Amino acid sequence: GEDVEQSLFLSVREGDSSVINCTYTDSSSTYLYWYKQEPGAGLQLLTYIFSNMDMKQDQRLTVLLNKKDKHLSLRIADTQTGDSAIYFCAESPQMDSSYKLIFGSGTRLLVRP
Amino acid sequence: DGGITQSPKYLFRKEGQNVTLSCEQNLNHDAMYWYRQDPGQGLRLIYYSQIVNDFQKGDIAEGYSVSREKKESFPLTVTSAQKNPTAFYLCATGGGLAPVGEQYFGPGTRLTVT
Repeated sequence: GEDVEQSLFLSVREGDSSVINCTYTDSSSTYLYWYKQEPGAGLQLLTYIFSNMDMKQDQRLTVLLNKKDKHLSLRIADTQTGDSAIYFCAESPQMDSSYKLIFGSGTRLLVRP
Repeated sequence: DGGITQSPKYLFRKEGQNVTLSCEQNLNHDAMYWYRQDPGQGLRLIYYSQIVNDFQKGDIAEGYSVSREKKESFPLTVTSAQKNPTAFYLCATGGGLAPVGEQYFGPGTRLTVT
């Protein structure tokens, strides 16, 4: 079955690193994504990783992928108050050609000054 | 938000009335999607369309209907049969060149039914 799980809440102090974790079940997923949602807004794509990669770095963002454990994480370095938002992990099942994404329930990140 | 427009941002309706949410895109994407978001539940897929004049049910299609007469437009009707219609509705597009599966989201419409 398809299921993506995330913890619901994370609180960090400004300047610290944040790590948001996600587990997924479909090992055929070609791409895995991290989206950010600010209050009352749509989702914006933050970054993605191809399934044959272990790590991807993009400025303050680092994505780690452990395919064996089906575990994905997003690390935000030097977290700022503007990073407070809900972060969604999503997978794109290979066997489904409709480009459907399966989203986790989202992790709400609160950055304390 | 890119080239995806959802209107209105807030919508209020009385129970028993049908209501149509608008979604327009100028990204020239083939695929369009409707999601429903409830607190703590993430996004759930209502309907999607990969091409004009064709659409498929998602995971929670009951009480909703869609049409795809033009590539740019994918309106969602919330019918009176939807038992709990109050939610935040997000429209998305996809099927662009790369990466496969990436979706672009509109700003959303918050529907309140009383």
